[in-house]
Amino acid sequence: ETGVTQSPTHLIKTRGQQVTLRCSSQSGHNTVSWYQQALGQGPQFIFQYYREEENGRGNFPPRFSGLQFPNYSSELNVNALELDDSALYLCASSSDRGDQPQHFGDGTRLSIL
Amino acid sequence: KQEVTQIPAALSVPEGENLVLNCSFTDSAIYNLQWFRQDPGKGLTSLLLIQSSQREQTSGRLNASLDKSSGRSTLYIAASQPGDSATYLCAVYNAGGTSYGKLTFGQGTILTVHP
Repeated sequence: ETGVTQSPTHLIKTRGQQVTLRCSSQSGHNTVSWYQQALGQGPQFIFQYYREEENGRGNFPPRFSGLQFPNYSSELNVNALELDDSALYLCASSSDRGDQPQHFGDGTRLSIL
Repeated sequence: KQEVTQIPAALSVPEGENLVLNCSFTDSAIYNLQWFRQDPGKGLTSLLLIQSSQREQTSGRLNASLDKSSGRSTLYIAASQPGDSATYLCAVYNAGGTSYGKLTFGQGTILTVHP
């Protein structure tokens, strides 16, 4: 069984740039959630995708957007990067929108200069 | 709005000690609660998941309990080892709206077990 994989592992950008992060969900999972974890904090929910549709969103501005593809892999796009966007971005997949366990990838460390 | 608090923020113990990590949450309408482990710079590893109808779960030296009505969970680690050193995160799963659910995390407890 292949777990959740994220790419790239590290990324350095400058303010104002745009970035795309990628996530391959675990086999058999149709739901992907994205979280942002600032240094020393717990992860914060960004949004969730279920069967290619955005299914719910946390308190993040519209410049955070995403996609889910027919194979249930997903992208997180962030436009107009700000210094506060520096964080570990985590992707989690699960087998349903409901209360099934979420399985996390190792994350993408994004640094904004 | 769900809020999750973990106490203590950091804990340093000698090898072999039994220890308890605490988690509290404000909204008891949860589907489940998960305990995760996070090593520095890494993602999250799920340790235990307790459904809202359950009182506890056990895996090896780990035991997690849930008291939904009082909004509390504890993670008990028996006979701690240096390899247990990590950040431990508690997260509760709530309905975020009519069609989705989300995890709300605490800030974590940084555990150091020294030889």
